[in-house]
Amino acid sequence: NAGVMQNPRHLVRRRGQEARLRCSPMKGHSHVYWYRQLPEEGLKFMVYLQKENIIDESGMPKERFSAEFPKEGPSILRIQQVVRGDSAAYFCASSANGVQETQYFGPGTRLLVL
Amino acid sequence: KQEVTQIPAALSVPEGENLVLNCSFTDSAIYNLQWFRQDPGKGLTSLLLIQSSQREQTSGRLNASLDKSSGRSTLYIAASQPGDSATYLCAVPFMGNEKLTFGTGTRLTIIP
Repeated sequence: NAGVMQNPRHLVRRRGQEARLRCSPMKGHSHVYWYRQLPEEGLKFMVYLQKENIIDESGMPKERFSAEFPKEGPSILRIQQVVRGDSAAYFCASSANGVQETQYFGPGTRLLVL
Repeated sequence: KQEVTQIPAALSVPEGENLVLNCSFTDSAIYNLQWFRQDPGKGLTSLLLIQSSQREQTSGRLNASLDKSSGRSTLYIAASQPGDSATYLCAVPFMGNEKLTFGTGTRLTIIP
């Protein structure tokens, strides 16, 4: 079992560009979570998805951020028109049955906005 | 407000000592509690998950306890080793929420 995979591991963007972060959950897991870790801060929940559905996006900024988990393929976190404050580590986690089971985390994507 | 707190923020101990990390949470209505470790520049590794009905969970040199009524959990590490140096995070899903709320972590350094 390859575990949760994220790519790219590092991403550099200039202000105003778009960032696309990908997450492939563990085999057999249909619950995907995205968290953000700002420099010197704790992890904060962003969005929770199941296949083709957004279940909870209460932690995601209303503008410029979107997430999807299509029927086929990885989950995508998309940030449009990035700003310097978006620089952070973005982690994806997956579980087999929601929060009542262990969440397994990927290695993260470190986004740097110049 | 549902919050998770970890004290101290940093801890240094000599190799071989036993140590305890603390985690507290403001609402006892939780599904479970998870302990993770995070190495610098890396992702999170799940260490232990304690269900809300359990009192403790063990894995190797690690033992986690849960006192839901008082809103506390401890992670006990026996016979510490330099490889245990990392940031340790606790996280809980409060009931009614489908997400983990994280503490800010304890940065542990084991001195050889």
